[in-house]
Amino acid sequence: QKEVEQNSGPLSVPEGAIASLNCTYSDRGSQSFFWYRQYSGKSPELIMSIYSNGDKEDGRFTAQLNKASQYVSLLIRDSQPSDSATYLCAVRETSGSRLTFGEGTQLTVNP
Amino acid sequence: DGGITQSPKYLFRKEGQNVTLSCEQNLNHDAMYWYRQDPGQGLRLIYYSQIVNDFQKGDIAEGYSVSREKKESFPLTVTSAQKNPTAFYLCASTTPGQGLTYGYTFGSGTRLTVV
Repeated sequence: QKEVEQNSGPLSVPEGAIASLNCTYSDRGSQSFFWYRQYSGKSPELIMSIYSNGDKEDGRFTAQLNKASQYVSLLIRDSQPSDSATYLCAVRETSGSRLTFGEGTQLTVNP
Repeated sequence: DGGITQSPKYLFRKEGQNVTLSCEQNLNHDAMYWYRQDPGQGLRLIYYSQIVNDFQKGDIAEGYSVSREKKESFPLTVTSAQKNPTAFYLCASTTPGQGLTYGYTFGSGTRLTVV
């Protein structure tokens, strides 16, 4: 079983729609969760982090965490073509600072 | 401005050759990491270092070596023992203890190709 799994892509949504990206993790003791956006050929950039159960909103982005289900998601409202990228879910290990990444979900927002 | 600088941006390696990828940060971060990314794949951890003069193997350390002689620098050597080194290499840093939501800062990456 992979430590961090993301919903397989690619995911395609029309402009203005809500894009939903999902991630599950296997280490029940994990405490911090991150979403990175990676444009083709570029390095990842951090867009959201969350560590408490529930929702965390930042502009058009909402991260949702459910530790009981070991599930974290990212919602992108009013999706724009500029949101087209690969989104990486990362989980911080129980002890230490290293992050484990999922394989990523490629999102395409169609004008 | 603070950040992480990786060089070179593109690197070509001949068969049997060792090459070194540079990673320098001026963020005063304690921990530094090297990840490898293959096309369509996520990031896999090669090596990491949480303090100067100490480092640990990640999940795919075979064929790679690192050093951490200075807080700012964490170079990665891809040795001839690494049979399939063509990939995108990413360096990252962070400071443990900054809080649960403190993630990594990434460099811009080095794309290594075997010729």
